Amino acid sequence: DADVTQTPRNRITKTGKRIMLECSQTKGHDRMYWYRQDPGLGLRLIYYSFDVKDINKGEISDGYSVSRQAQAKFSLSLESAIPNQTALYFCATRAGGFVTDTQYFGPGTRLTVL
Amino acid sequence: GQQVMQIPQYQHVQEGEDFTTYCNSSTTLSNIQWYKQRPGGHPVFLIQLVKSGEVKKQKRLTFQFGEAKKNSSLHITATQTTDVGTYFCADGSSNTGKLIFGQGTTLQVKP
Repeated sequence: DADVTQTPRNRITKTGKRIMLECSQTKGHDRMYWYRQDPGLGLRLIYYSFDVKDINKGEISDGYSVSRQAQAKFSLSLESAIPNQTALYFCATRAGGFVTDTQYFGPGTRLTVL
Repeated sequence: GQQVMQIPQYQHVQEGEDFTTYCNSSTTLSNIQWYKQRPGGHPVFLIQLVKSGEVKKQKRLTFQFGEAKKNSSLHITATQTTDVGTYFCADGSSNTGKLIFGQGTTLQVKP
């Protein structure tokens, strides 16, 4: 959805470099999520946030950190990139409060670590 | 831990044939969501099932939630080339809003 944007869309970096992936949303949602997608593994949750003061680890948080700078912005950082972090990364948002609310995904960032 | 298994991983069909993907959970789900990801695109929400035995239809797509709320299926009747993509089921039971995704089924349709 155009309401959720990610930058950059593609990134090639080298092992050991620090990089940041950014996500912005205009949906006014409180909850934001970072997933990575690998072939055959579906989407796996890295971190999620309920608001700027509430950050939670997902199932694969090692090697990643996040920052929720504002309700609308949620950034994912790789402190020292390694080749097995090569993947497609998606940011998603969700309105809070109800179990049945759906998630809205950004267009994704394709990251390659050489 | 909680797992959502989805089969098959890949399916190639001739245009006009039917297609089904199955989703199974190790635990009872409060709701299950289905997403479609077109090649090169991002996941897009299709539908959500909440009730035991629920059946919902969207044109040629039929979604079912098992009676025990541990499995679900997506059936496409008379596939078209526009159906190409990867279909994911996701457990939406967590009150944190986390989704646990199945591995996805990638559908290829030969014209």
